[in-house]
Amino acid sequence: KQEVTQIPAALSVPEGENLVLNCSFTDSAIYNLQWFRQDPGKGLTSLLLIQSSQREQTSGRLNASLDKSSGRSTLYIAASQPGDSATYLCAVRNDYKLSFGAGTTVTVRA
Amino acid sequence: GAGVSQSPRYKVTKRGQDVALRCDPISGHVSLYWYRQALGQGPEFLTYFNYEAQQDKSGLPNDRFSAERPEGSISTLTIQRTEQRDSAMYRCASSLTPTSGGLYEQYFGPGTRLTVT
Repeated sequence: KQEVTQIPAALSVPEGENLVLNCSFTDSAIYNLQWFRQDPGKGLTSLLLIQSSQREQTSGRLNASLDKSSGRSTLYIAASQPGDSATYLCAVRNDYKLSFGAGTTVTVRA
Repeated sequence: GAGVSQSPRYKVTKRGQDVALRCDPISGHVSLYWYRQALGQGPEFLTYFNYEAQQDKSGLPNDRFSAERPEGSISTLTIQRTEQRDSAMYRCASSLTPTSGGLYEQYFGPGTRLTVT
């Protein structure tokens, strides 16, 4: 069974600092990995999807890396803003199922 | 275009009642998934459909839970004789491809918050 772990569980940083969120998974036979943002009372917003053949994916201030062989992914958010405050979830896809971590709750202080 | 929609957004029910949660996927998406998310946790897989066929229901917790997608579009997740432990956010997702593997991402709806009192 795929196990996904996210560290840290919570993170508080001052505005402008770079954020580093970590995700690890136990079964490296994945098709892809997605990073989601979750805001209270709202749905999951997909931020980045990395295919298993890719090493990284970038969108604006966000950059995600994937090391499939070691079962790790890292999400970098540059120059954080208060609007980045949310819970960030990592999910890996084996076949059709997504297996999620418990998330990292980020607070960016103005 | 319209995203995945779910209804109701919030449902409060008394223990022992049956509830039905609805999911309307993105038009043209043939695969549909149900997940359940407890507070402070990530979503957990419940069941999966390709078109109208339920391919995997291994994540359904017990036989009080069932799901259908009779015409290959809208899906209903039904919980019979609800219990307090069923309280959670129920999320639906859809994707383009029915094939295993593939590159297509899952798009999530806003979820239904179920509270059993």
